[in-house]
Amino acid sequence: AQSVAQPEDQVNVAEGNPLTVKCTYSVSGNPYLFWYVQYPNRGLQFLLKYITGDNLVKGSYGFEAEFNKSQTSFHLKKPSALVSDSALYFCAVRDPRWAGSYQLTFGKGTKLSVIP
Amino acid sequence: GAGVSQSPSNKVTEKGKDVELRCDPISGHTALYWYRQRLGQGLEFLIYFQGNSAPDKSGLPSDRFSAERTGESVSTLTIQRTQQEDSAVYLCASSITGAPSPLHFGNGTRLTVT
Repeated sequence: AQSVAQPEDQVNVAEGNPLTVKCTYSVSGNPYLFWYVQYPNRGLQFLLKYITGDNLVKGSYGFEAEFNKSQTSFHLKKPSALVSDSALYFCAVRDPRWAGSYQLTFGKGTKLSVIP
Repeated sequence: GAGVSQSPSNKVTEKGKDVELRCDPISGHTALYWYRQRLGQGLEFLIYFQGNSAPDKSGLPSDRFSAERTGESVSTLTIQRTQQEDSAVYLCASSITGAPSPLHFGNGTRLTVT
């Protein structure tokens, strides 16, 4: 089975400061990992993904994430937070060895609040 | 281009009634997914379509829930004899075939069962 944990329900950060949203995963093999963002009353928007290769992945809106296989983590980061980054962030995982389904397993989400 | 479209955006129904939720995926996307998002919870997988077939229905919570897809396009999620615990936002997503392909989500249907 595959699973994702986002240990923080909420993260508060001051505008201009670096931000980190944590994610750890559990799969049997090498994972496909994703980050999505959800703004109020909207669907989820894709930010970035890790499939293979370089452990540091760059995505939309200046976000990046680092894949750490030994710690089974995929933390989302941004060097300088903006108020407009305030939203709900979801980490998701898929075990690529599964056959017959491409469903992603999502974490419970982390609410990011960037304080002006 | 157009994104994933879901209708209605909001639905209020009485306990025991049936409801139908509709999803129009992005044109050309062969994979379609339904997820449920309860207040304060993560996303719960319901069903996955590849074309018009559903190889993975493992997430449907009970036999009151069913879904179909026609013409490799529109999908309908039907909930029969709705219960209060069915209240949630139902999200549809589509993608091109292939596991690493990102999912493109609609804005969801907020279902409230009174």
